[in-house]
Amino acid sequence: SQQGEEDPQALSIQEGENATMNCSYKTSINNLQWYRQNSGRGLVHLILIRSNEREKHSGRLRVTLDTSKKSSSLLITASRAADTASYFCATVPSGAGSYQLTFGKGTKLSVIP
Amino acid sequence: EAQVTQNPRYLITVTGKKLTVTCSQNMNHEYMSWYRQDPGLGLRQIYYSMNVEATDKGDVPEGYKVSRKEKRNFPLILESPSPNQTSLYFCASRSSIWANSPLHFGNGTRLTVT
Repeated sequence: SQQGEEDPQALSIQEGENATMNCSYKTSINNLQWYRQNSGRGLVHLILIRSNEREKHSGRLRVTLDTSKKSSSLLITASRAADTASYFCATVPSGAGSYQLTFGKGTKLSVIP
Repeated sequence: EAQVTQNPRYLITVTGKKLTVTCSQNMNHEYMSWYRQDPGLGLRQIYYSMNVEATDKGDVPEGYKVSRKEKRNFPLILESPSPNQTSLYFCASRSSIWANSPLHFGNGTRLTVT
């Protein structure tokens, strides 16, 4: 099944810096979603971006989508220690399989105070 | 408060002893799903349900059973657990059967099978 792949696997930054995580996928999508997971807890939905959208914002989060390159990025601006978590992209295929969501393996972000 | 509730949070059991992990959502969601999360393997779907009495296999269904007798509940059953089912399990739900709305996750069940 199609799977997004996040890059990098791990990222360590100082508080106040920006954090950028990337997601690549292989086939056409209906939408792409980003989730956050604090250590050992349930995932929390951050942003959904549809295939006809190029950019979405939510607070300090900015998501871009480039369907020609089959990639998405999540930017967290002015990071805080509380942003320390794993971040996952999840893709929804276009067409008949648009009820299925497939997760990547995540980027582990550490924000150092 | 809108939520997905899983129980128990932690479970230690022995090989072969049947167990059930409960999942309940109070949002009247159509779609429910179970995932397992393992280091290096990410989140993998076990089973999902689009409606009452409608369940289907995900990517890793072997060794698991589910049922959806009521809209709010979606228990995960391990008839004969084995050590390779030691994992972190998540139940999730969303309002639409189509994946164009957010998934809401429970807080997880950490299962250890010895």
